[in-house]
Amino acid sequence: DQQVKQNSPSLSVQEGRISILNCDYTNSMFDYFLWYKKYPAEGPTFLISISSIKDKNEDGRFTVFLNKSAKHLSLHIVPSQPGDSAVYFCAASQPNTGNQFYFGTGTSLTVIP
Amino acid sequence: DTEVTQTPKHLVMGMTNKKSLKCEQHMGHRAMYWYKQKAKKPPELMFVYSYEKLSINESVPSRFSPECPNSSLLNLHLHALQPEDSALYLCASSQGPSYSYEQYFGPGTRLTVT
Repeated sequence: DQQVKQNSPSLSVQEGRISILNCDYTNSMFDYFLWYKKYPAEGPTFLISISSIKDKNEDGRFTVFLNKSAKHLSLHIVPSQPGDSAVYFCAASQPNTGNQFYFGTGTSLTVIP
Repeated sequence: DTEVTQTPKHLVMGMTNKKSLKCEQHMGHRAMYWYKQKAKKPPELMFVYSYEKLSINESVPSRFSPECPNSSLLNLHLHALQPEDSALYLCASSQGPSYSYEQYFGPGTRLTVT
């Protein structure tokens, strides 16, 4: 059962514009959320995280928004750059399950120059 | 330095072979992980080591055998694999065995079982 879902398999955005990647989850016990970026033939790279006590976390061009009532998070990239083209995974974790992360299925972002 | 290294980068093995994947980190992290990732799928957790002890085994077949010789090293021993085990095997580490520590991933080993 997929507890973390990314319903858009792909997204294309013009360079300089905003990219918005979405993620939904079903488990209300999830308490910590992360975004990873993955280039082909490489491992996922940690981008940004957010705890459930916050609704926004910003790091440079990347901002993650969390809406707990909707069980939804999003990653905003502004401005988008061609080097941002990659697959983006959201992940979630909860207390008392060890260190297990639950990953979404990924969204492939293409930034068009 | 947030680097996790994995060797080899690519591995082709027959179903009767025995091979090992290696993972190393020098960040002082005390939790290490093995994941399996198939094409266009999310990473699937296989094993978790916390303070060099196996803490999670996600019902992985016994033909995969993990080993944590010390806090910096993690091995995955492979024996009698099946073609469906072909995948990208990712190692990760985190500061400690807490759900709120981000995990840092290595580049992976691309395994092909023939």
